[in-house]
Amino acid sequence: QKEVEQDPGPLSVPEGAIVSLNCTYSNSAFQYFMWYRQYSRKGPELLMYTYSSGNKEDGRFTAQVDKSSKYISLFIRDSQPSDSATYLCAMTSGAGSYQLTFGKGTKLSVIP
Amino acid sequence: DTGVSQNPRHKITKRGQNVTFRCDPISEHNRLYWYRQTLGQGPEFLTYFQNEAQLEKSRLLSDRFSAERPKGSFSTLEIQRTEQGDSAMYLCASSRTGTGDEKLFFGSGTQLSVL
Repeated sequence: QKEVEQDPGPLSVPEGAIVSLNCTYSNSAFQYFMWYRQYSRKGPELLMYTYSSGNKEDGRFTAQVDKSSKYISLFIRDSQPSDSATYLCAMTSGAGSYQLTFGKGTKLSVIP
Repeated sequence: DTGVSQNPRHKITKRGQNVTFRCDPISEHNRLYWYRQTLGQGPEFLTYFQNEAQLEKSRLLSDRFSAERPKGSFSTLEIQRTEQGDSAMYLCASSRTGTGDEKLFFGSGTQLSVL
């Protein structure tokens, strides 16, 4: 079993839909959780960063962390075609190097 | 633009050749990371520097790979005697310690194709 599991999709939704992306993890040492967005042939772009259980909102994006279930989610409201990208969850224990462990990424397409 | 800069963006080489990539981090960032990403996978950690010191290396980093950060600013990643399995996107990221919530910012990567 990989440390971080993420459904690779692909996921296709109509414009304006609410999108839910999820990751599960097995390492209870992970304390810091991130979501990155990656467009084709580009590097990952940091979207959300959180370290506590609960919700964190930033515009149309909400990150949710449930440490007891080892489960994190990213919600995108009012999805736009420009949201079409691969979304990567990442996490770290924060001890030492802040080395990130990534999920495989979920490829999202928002259809106009 | 003060983001992480990587050069070249693309590199095509023949098996057995040596290649070198460069990364210029965000100027005030003291940590620099190298990751590798293959198609359909998330990035995987290779190595990191704090200032000029290389503090951690993944078991993925074979002895054909070497990274340097001579003055604690830019970094280079060299792959000797390239193999087809080295074909991947090589990503550099940088961060600043001591802020309480360290965030990694990535460059656009160098796409390596080994023929």
